[in-house]
Amino acid sequence: GENVEQHPSTLSVQEGDSAVIKCTYSDSASNYFPWYKQELGKGPQLIIDIRSNVGEKKDQRIAVTLNKTAKHFSLHITETQPEDSAVYFCAARGNNAGNMLTFGGGTRLMVKP
Amino acid sequence: ETGVTQTPRHLVMGMTNKKSLKCEQHLGHNAMYWYKQSAKKPLELMFVYNFKEQTENNSVPSRFSPECPNSSHLFLHLHTLQPEDSALYLCASSHLGVGGGPGTDFGPGTRLLVL
Repeated sequence: GENVEQHPSTLSVQEGDSAVIKCTYSDSASNYFPWYKQELGKGPQLIIDIRSNVGEKKDQRIAVTLNKTAKHFSLHITETQPEDSAVYFCAARGNNAGNMLTFGGGTRLMVKP
Repeated sequence: ETGVTQTPRHLVMGMTNKKSLKCEQHLGHNAMYWYKQSAKKPLELMFVYNFKEQTENNSVPSRFSPECPNSSHLFLHLHTLQPEDSALYLCASSHLGVGGGPGTDFGPGTRLLVL
């Protein structure tokens, strides 16, 4: 089955700096890669996703890049703000019926004012 | 608020109690899930229901008993739990199938404490 590794497990940045979280996956058939943000006391919320037919996707201060050959994808947050502080999860999913998301271990991002 | 709701949001129970967690999705999805989230551990998939049929049971102890009466509602019945079962229990829903929908939507979770 699919295996998703996520690094780093914790990340501390100064407000205004950029943050990068990286994930690798094992199943070359996976073709959908969402990122979730989980704030304290809440469930994970989808913030951005990418399909395997694109190499990069951007939404304001958030971008995701995908390297299918190397089987890794990354989340980039620019101009970080204290409200970006949360736990971020990457995930991967194949395109076959019944395939579900496999999650990475999560990254706790702390943005210091 | 998301299209997935969970009740109760917080639950404290003794090891001999019986309680149930409830989840409802308003998104027209055909699959529902229970996840367990413990401190410093990845999300653990517990159960999957696809069109009300259970398709996954990831070696979950029998003290957890799921029920899916229809594609919009999901329950997790709890009995004789252990302190190590204390965690955040997340319900989620999605479309399953080839080229399935944009993603999985999560509820806010039930924070469970077993004394």
